[in-house]
Amino acid sequence: GENVEQHPSTLSVQEGDSAVIKCTYSDSASNYFPWYKQELGKRPQLIIDIRSNVGEKKDQRIAVTLNKTAKHFSLHITETQPEDSAVYFCAASRGSSNTGKLIFGQGTTLQVKP
Amino acid sequence: DGGITQSPKYLFRKEGQNVTLSCEQNLNHDAMYWYRQDPGQGLRLIYYSQIVNDFQKGDIAEGYSVSREKKESFPLTVTSAQKNPTAFYLCASSIGQFYGYTFGSGTRLTVV
Repeated sequence: GENVEQHPSTLSVQEGDSAVIKCTYSDSASNYFPWYKQELGKRPQLIIDIRSNVGEKKDQRIAVTLNKTAKHFSLHITETQPEDSAVYFCAASRGSSNTGKLIFGQGTTLQVKP
Repeated sequence: DGGITQSPKYLFRKEGQNVTLSCEQNLNHDAMYWYRQDPGQGLRLIYYSQIVNDFQKGDIAEGYSVSREKKESFPLTVTSAQKNPTAFYLCASSIGQFYGYTFGSGTRLTVV
């Protein structure tokens, strides 16, 4: 069935270093890939997204890359700060339909050490 | 202030009891979704609705029911048939396929 694999499950970096989270999806018809950040006890919030007709997108310290051939997309955070500590989820759309359904990865707990 | 509101924040259910989780949005979004979040797992889709008076089962619909009588509201009932309901429940809405979700703050349900 459709699934999204996310790695690593936990990631610890020093403040100022870069962090990379990787996801692989199975449905070749997926065409929308959002990333969410969930701080402890709070709701997930959309931080960046990318559509299948784009290979890379950047927003300040955050960037996402997409390799459609490999069915692989990644989140890159540069110059990490303690407030970046959270759980990050990747997601992929369910095929190319307009239902808006997403399938989520298992999450990555990022810890940024001061 | 536009947003999506879930209530209650914490809910305790006794064995054999049905409980209803509320989800209300004032974003004028057509699509609404219910997800379940368990520790160490991603979000799993329970039900979704793209329009008033219509809804579809997600991946783990057994033991749950929903209604969509108004655009703004999408309540979730956890029935006694759901054998392992303890989890964090998130409601979300979306304006369209490429616009991501706005999530509510969640309801933490515990069986006592």
